[in-house]
Amino acid sequence: QLQLQESGPGLVKPSETLSLTCTVSGGSITSSSYYWGWVRQPPGKGLEWIGNTYYSGSTSYSPSLKSRVTISVDTSNNQFSLRLTSVTAADTAIYYCARLPRITTFALDYWGQGTLVTVSS
Amino acid sequence: EIVLTQSPGTLPLSPGDRATLSCRASQSVPSSFLAWYQQKPGQAPRLLIYSASSRATGIPDRFSGSWSGTDFTLTISRLEPEDFAVYYCQQYDTSSSLTFGGGTKVEIK
Repeated sequence: QLQLQESGPGLVKPSETLSLTCTVSGGSITSSSYYWGWVRQPPGKGLEWIGNTYYSGSTSYSPSLKSRVTISVDTSNNQFSLRLTSVTAADTAIYYCARLPRITTFALDYWGQGTLVTVSS
Repeated sequence: EIVLTQSPGTLPLSPGDRATLSCRASQSVPSSFLAWYQQKPGQAPRLLIYSASSRATGIPDRFSGSWSGTDFTLTISRLEPEDFAVYYCQQYDTSSSLTFGGGTKVEIK
């Protein structure tokens, strides 16, 4: 059974960089069938797509976050990571990692449980 | 960028009722690129429907999806108590980017 688990600091200071890692177990991140993505959800609000990566390292980012986001992949550890720079209180959210089949469903079929990141001094 | 508009924002219904949720795209979206999710409080979203009308693994057949042009619909034929939740539509485009709709909350009347 595929599992995804987010990890990283739960509190980040304004203007600093948010860094999260998603560890994939029960399947290989190097499968050619999938992208691996990040989605966030501010408290009480809707879902916002952040970006995706492929095992080759190619990426796609939300236009609204593109200038501040980097998603990278670590195939040796079956992980992918999110970096978001210059954070503000508006970046406070639950951050989810998820799998995106790129040939079949084009929908996020496996999700991590999510991790709350609060931006505050 | 395609915008997905979901309506209504809130849908008060009773168990056993039929729920009809709408997702309108600002421009053409291939049906194969439209999905629906269910999210309950404190949980990650769960994939319900992909390719506009195909149920994901383990999803009961009371959930169905349909479309006409740029209008997509999620129908729950008879609401069970566990179906009261927030529902999101999502589209994928060929640059591998995603967009979510704003969500519809199905609440107990």
